[in-house]
Amino acid sequence: AQSVTQLDSHVSVSEGTPVLLRCNYSSSYSPSLFWYVQHPNKGLQLLLKYTSAATLVKGINGFEAEFKKSETSFHLTKPSAHMSDAAEYFCVVSDQQNAGNMLTFGGGTRLMVKP
Amino acid sequence: GAGVSQTPSNKVTEKGKYVELRCDPISGHTALYWYRQSLGQGPEFLIYFQGTGAADDSGLPNDRFFAVRPEGSVSTLKIQRTERGDSAVYLCASSRDPSGANVLTFGAGSRLTVL
Repeated sequence: AQSVTQLDSHVSVSEGTPVLLRCNYSSSYSPSLFWYVQHPNKGLQLLLKYTSAATLVKGINGFEAEFKKSETSFHLTKPSAHMSDAAEYFCVVSDQQNAGNMLTFGGGTRLMVKP
Repeated sequence: GAGVSQTPSNKVTEKGKYVELRCDPISGHTALYWYRQSLGQGPEFLIYFQGTGAADDSGLPNDRFFAVRPEGSVSTLKIQRTERGDSAVYLCASSRDPSGANVLTFGAGSRLTVL
């Protein structure tokens, strides 16, 4: 079984300050982990993915995430927030033993960026 | 096509009516997924197709929900005797194949409102 917990439902930052969105996962096997972003009325867009290669993963738009097995965490960070980063972010796990690659989503974190 | 296309983008119906939602995946993608996203929540898995067959339908909430993919491309999600609790955004995704390394590409979703 697999599950994901996003520790904050809302995060508010000022433009130009760092972003931290927290995610903890549970998986019976070696997980694949993803972060997706959802802008209003748009489809889910992949930010980055971890599939057992380097533990620090770089994604699009300056985002990165670090896989920490000992902490079962996969937090998303960005050094400097931009107004266009305001959106809903989902941490997602897929069990690599899962033949169908079904994804389990966290509840989401809404990122607000203040001018 | 270039992306995953879902129609209609919005559907308003009355309780008890029958609804069909269509998904046109990326050309050549053999795996197709349906997810449901209720307000304020992360998407939840409904059903997954590999080719024409439903490989896993464990996420369908009850027997009012059914999905088909007769030619291994376009898929239709069918909901009978709709209830107000069925109101949600229904997301379709496709991937080249169902292995864990392949990323799912999501459509923009079909927003269903049951009055």
